[in-house]
Amino acid sequence: DAGVTQSPTHLIKTRGQQVTLRCSPKSGHDTVSWYQQALGQGPQFIFQYYEEEERQRGNFPDRFSGHQFPNYSSELNVNALLLGDSALYLCASSLDRSGGYTFGSGTRLTVV
Amino acid sequence: AQRVTQPEKLLSVFKGAPVELKCNYSYSGSPELFWYVQYSRQRLQLLLRHISRESIKGFTADLNKGETSFHLKKPFAQEEDSAMYYCALRAYSGAGSYQLTFGKGTKLSVIP
Repeated sequence: DAGVTQSPTHLIKTRGQQVTLRCSPKSGHDTVSWYQQALGQGPQFIFQYYEEEERQRGNFPDRFSGHQFPNYSSELNVNALLLGDSALYLCASSLDRSGGYTFGSGTRLTVV
Repeated sequence: AQRVTQPEKLLSVFKGAPVELKCNYSYSGSPELFWYVQYSRQRLQLLLRHISRESIKGFTADLNKGETSFHLKKPFAQEEDSAMYYCALRAYSGAGSYQLTFGKGTKLSVIP
């Protein structure tokens, strides 16, 4: 079992551009949560997807959007990138209503 | 809203000394608490959860509802314990979903 896989591992974008990050959940998991981890900070909750719908959202602007596909994989999209969006983006999968979260290695996004 | 506080950004101890990483939380409901660890260049991984009451790698944590704390302890620190430690709280956030909220983390450095 590969666990949670995220792609790409690193990404450099220019201010104003758009970016898409991808996540494949652990086998058997149906819920995907996305987190932003700025340098020196703990992960901050962005949103959670279940049954292809956004079920819960943290304190992030609408520039952050997502999608979940029928195979439970997920994408995180960020529009109009700002320098402050530079961070490690983590995907975590779980089985709905279960406490066990499995994290991916993350995508390191740098906005220049 | 739930909150997790880890008051120490950095904790340095000598090998063989006891370790205590502090975690306090605020949440009006019944909390489910976790400790996650991130070793250098590795992904975030679950260390232990309070409902299992188990000891992992010699670490234990007891939930104290009166003091709203979930401190992580180990009687004798090892060099391989050096890592970032995050306390997290899983709370019901409505619409049938649960949200995992992290503290800012404590970097543990074990001095040989």
